Amino acid sequence: EVLLVESGGDLVQPGGSLRLSCAASGLTVSGHQMNWVRQAPGKGPEWVSLILTGGSTNYADSVKDRFIIFRDDSSNTLFLEMNDLRVEDTAIYYCARISDDDDSDAFDVWGQGTMVTVSS
Amino acid sequence: DIQLTQSPSSLSASIGDRVTITCRASRSIGTYLNWYQQRPGKAPRLLIYSASSQQSGVPSRFSGSGSGTDFTLTIKSLKPEDFATYYCQQSYSTPTYTFGQGTKLEIK
Repeated sequence: EVLLVESGGDLVQPGGSLRLSCAASGLTVSGHQMNWVRQAPGKGPEWVSLILTGGSTNYADSVKDRFIIFRDDSSNTLFLEMNDLRVEDTAIYYCARISDDDDSDAFDVWGQGTMVTVSS
Repeated sequence: DIQLTQSPSSLSASIGDRVTITCRASRSIGTYLNWYQQRPGKAPRLLIYSASSQQSGVPSRFSGSGSGTDFTLTIKSLKPEDFATYYCQQSYSTPTYTFGQGTKLEIK
């Protein structure tokens, strides 16, 4: 069974930092395009960041220069390092895999999410 | 960025009804359009990819169509478990993927 389990969400003050983790089982993180997608309360999902199989990364403009996506192949875990957090970063953060069965770039596997709250 | 506009924002329907949700893109995206279902407190679930292809395990009552800028998700013969929020997502402009604002399907 393919499973993604996020952790690390917490309440943090504006300007603070947080590291999210996404532990994978049933799939190899380095073998897929892996993403972080967030969803603010009552809003639609928002793509945050992507790491390609080769290690290249991309970020939404809203988080560029503040967030870093990386992976640890030995533990088969995806990470999101979040710095200079803002109130508008408050959301549930999901890790999600892009399907490699076709060229749809659809998110076919999702974790259960971890909540990040930025508030003073 | 490519904007996606869903209509309606909310919809009331009864068990057994057929419903259609529309997603309009701000510019042509071919068939790079995917649909998701999200139940309360759960992660989104992929239903339809490439505008009209059904994801494995998705019931056949879900179907998608469209190309260019106009797309539809149709659910025929609604079941109780179908009452949820539905999102479209474009994957034409990679990797700046964008989602629609959602359509909440409620029981009448």
